Amino acid sequence: RKEVEQDPGPFNVPEGATVAFNCTYSNSASQSFFWYRQDCRKEPKLLMSVYSSGNEDGRFTAQLNRASQYISLLIRDSKLSDSATYLCVVNKGDSWGKLQFGAGTQVVVTP
Amino acid sequence: DTAVSQTPKYLVTQMGNDKSIKCEQNLGHDTMYWYKQDSKKFLKIMFSYNNKELIINETVPNRFSPKSPDKAHLNLHINSLELGDSAVYFCASSPTENEKLFFGSGTQLSVL
Repeated sequence: RKEVEQDPGPFNVPEGATVAFNCTYSNSASQSFFWYRQDCRKEPKLLMSVYSSGNEDGRFTAQLNRASQYISLLIRDSKLSDSATYLCVVNKGDSWGKLQFGAGTQVVVTP
Repeated sequence: DTAVSQTPKYLVTQMGNDKSIKCEQNLGHDTMYWYKQDSKKFLKIMFSYNNKELIINETVPNRFSPKSPDKAHLNLHINSLELGDSAVYFCASSPTENEKLFFGSGTQLSVL
């Protein structure tokens, strides 16, 4: 099993719709969780950290489920500019500084 | 002002050559990294330095040698380049370990 797994997609989403996707992680000792966004041929950029109680940033909501070892990202009222690859990032828990990236979930928002 | 800057943006070279990629951050962060993103888009950590000290050295061929002259710089030197080294290399920094990463814009390396 990969340490961080994501559905590669693509998720084709009509503009204005809601899309949600998950990321599973294998290390139960992981403590830090993030969602990054990567546009084609660009560097990854932090979208949001994921907190135990769940958190929201505008149209984006992140959740953490420790029991089932997954995090989720929900995008409401999708915009064309939300089209990107969303990378799940999890720390390895027992190793200094090791943030593990998932391979990404591609989201395509269509007019 | 670019927070994490790396040069060059593109690097095209022949097999067997030696090349370097430079990275600088002006965020005052203690930790810097090199990541490799291959054609399958998978981002994999190569090295991590904390305050000029090597912390993480993943299973990377020893043809790859990072150098950190100070905590604001982390350069990557690659000897005897191979076709399989073709990828995008990202430099990143974070305040401390396991914190959010700030990436440079990447160096597209093509080995012919």
